[in-house]
Amino acid sequence: QKEVEQDPGPLSVPEGAIVSLNCTYSNSAFQYFMWYRQYSRKGPELLMYTYSSGNKEDGRFTAQVDKSSKYISLFIRDSQPSDSATYLCAIASGSARQLTFGSGTQLTVLP
Amino acid sequence: EPEVTQTPSHQVTQMGQEVILRCVPISNHLYFYWYRQILGQKVEFLVSFYNNEISEKSEIFDDQFSVERPDGSNFTLKIRSTKLEDSAMYFCASSDPRVAGGGDQPQHFGDGTRLSIL
Repeated sequence: QKEVEQDPGPLSVPEGAIVSLNCTYSNSAFQYFMWYRQYSRKGPELLMYTYSSGNKEDGRFTAQVDKSSKYISLFIRDSQPSDSATYLCAIASGSARQLTFGSGTQLTVLP
Repeated sequence: EPEVTQTPSHQVTQMGQEVILRCVPISNHLYFYWYRQILGQKVEFLVSFYNNEISEKSEIFDDQFSVERPDGSNFTLKIRSTKLEDSAMYFCASSDPRVAGGGDQPQHFGDGTRLSIL
């Protein structure tokens, strides 16, 4: 069983749509949850970071964690063409600092 | 905003040659990392480094790999005898465990070095 699973997409939405990106994980020791955005030929850029169940909001982005279901989500409101990128979930346990990444979801927001 | 910088952006090397990838982490960060991403695959952890020693490493990080912090600003990854399968994007990252009371803190990544082995 893969440690972190993420729907690879690709996902294509019209400008202004609400986007939902999701990951599931198998290891209950995972405690820290991150979302990164990666543009073509660039490194992962940190978007959201959380370590508790529930929602965390930052502008148009909301990260949601459900530890009981081992499920994390990233919501993007009022999506813009500039949001077109690959979105990576990344998870770490409390004792290990190494990040385990999902495979990434490629998002295209059409003007 | 402080950022992680990596050089070179693209490195082409003959199989069997040694290569050194260089990184300048964010200046007040204390943890440093290397990850790699083979084309079309996931980003994979290689190694973490703290207080001048390796704190964790993955199965990928075998004897052909080494890391070093040669001075107060640089962090390097050396691959001793490159193989074709070492072709990948290599990302450096850093984090600051002192933020918000310690614990795991988010890692900030550079834009990577694309390593091509011929």
